Amino acid sequence: NAGVTQTPKFQVLKTGQSMTLQCAQDMNHNSMYWYRQDPGMGLRLIYYSASEGTTDKGEVPNGYNVSRLNKREFSLRLESAAPSQTSVYFCASSVFPGNTEAFFGQGTRLTVV
Amino acid sequence: GENVEQHPSTLSVQEGDSAVIKCTYSDSASNYFPWYKQELGKRPQLIIDIRSNVGEKKDQRIAVTLNKTAKHFSLHITETQPEDSAVYFCAASRSFSGGYNKLIFGAGTRLAVHP
Repeated sequence: NAGVTQTPKFQVLKTGQSMTLQCAQDMNHNSMYWYRQDPGMGLRLIYYSASEGTTDKGEVPNGYNVSRLNKREFSLRLESAAPSQTSVYFCASSVFPGNTEAFFGQGTRLTVV
Repeated sequence: GENVEQHPSTLSVQEGDSAVIKCTYSDSASNYFPWYKQELGKRPQLIIDIRSNVGEKKDQRIAVTLNKTAKHFSLHITETQPEDSAVYFCAASRSFSGGYNKLIFGAGTRLAVHP
């Protein structure tokens, strides 16, 4: 039982490049989330998927897109990376949306130069 | 919009002392209040949570209190130990149209426990 697995763990991109962050959970959770963590700003919700087949914007969705590929997988795409997207990205999942424990992946440290 | 404010941003205590971290939330409809601990370089992990129908919850050295009227909730750590050193995040879950709940996090408190 691996929990929530994110890939990659580290990534350096040049401004304008695109990339997809992958996330998979093996806990049969309904809801999945993408957060970014910046110093002094806590965890800010980018997008979430309350259940398979649905996605919705969080607090800071601009510059990102997501795909809930199936119940297990939820990917985050940066179409044209900008230095402001340098951050640590966490994927998380929970049984139900928002009001049960969220289990986090190990994070992806992304640097855009 | 929705907001969770967390204070203090940094907290330094001596081993054995108590530590208190306070949060306020803006949406009176919020009904779930978890606390997460994040050690350096690691993922956030839930340490305790409380729901709006409960005023206080304890788990060994940690406790959380909730004042719904004032929209405040607090984390209390007693008999602090060096391994309690970490960043602590509070969060509040509020409901949105469509029946969805979203967790909104505070900015975090960096707790340092000195031997």
